[in-house]
Amino acid sequence: DAGVIQSPRHEVTEMGQEVTLRCKPISGHNSLFWYRQTMMRGLELLIYFNNNVPIDDSGMPEDRFSAKMPNASFSTLKIQPSEPRDSAVYFCASFLAGAYNEQFFGPGTRLTVL
Amino acid sequence: AQTVTQSQPEMSVQEAETVTLSCTYDTSENNYYLFWYKQPPSRQMILVIRQEAYKQQNATENRFSVNFQKAAKSFSLKISDSQLGDTAMYFCAFVISGGYQKVTFGIGTKLQVIP
Repeated sequence: DAGVIQSPRHEVTEMGQEVTLRCKPISGHNSLFWYRQTMMRGLELLIYFNNNVPIDDSGMPEDRFSAKMPNASFSTLKIQPSEPRDSAVYFCASFLAGAYNEQFFGPGTRLTVL
Repeated sequence: AQTVTQSQPEMSVQEAETVTLSCTYDTSENNYYLFWYKQPPSRQMILVIRQEAYKQQNATENRFSVNFQKAAKSFSLKISDSQLGDTAMYFCAFVISGGYQKVTFGIGTKLQVIP
């Protein structure tokens, strides 16, 4: 299995631009999580999906952030418009309920907003 | 709400020595899982070890072992024979069994293994 796949691995953009981060979970996993990691705030859960349905988006910082999971094998996290304070590493993780309850993380996307 | 506390922001250990990282948590649930994740400079989050709360026996994985004290809500990680490759951030994490498996992470402990 290829594991959780995220793209791009690095993204540099200018303030005001739209940013789209992509995630492909492990095949068969039924839950997907988006996290943001910064030095100041550590690892924060932004949103998570179960069977493609958003369950809890209380961690999404502002309306500029949105996430979708149109099918079991793909999810996006969009920031529009982006701001410098959005600079962080964004992780996607997938999970199969009952299988040791372990989350498998992707390699992360390092986002820099200038 | 569940909370996970890691009170040691940074630690260091000599190569081949043993180090213990602390973690405490707070929950009113009885059935849950605890994890330690490692994040090396590559940023990849790697599961080190897991513990089911209903198991009294402490989990071990090669050089890694935990001291799980359910009554005290404590879950420390012991790394024996530390290696340079153990240099990383270590995160303690908690998830309730069943439900939607929302994981709560601690803020992390930065471990430096010194040659």
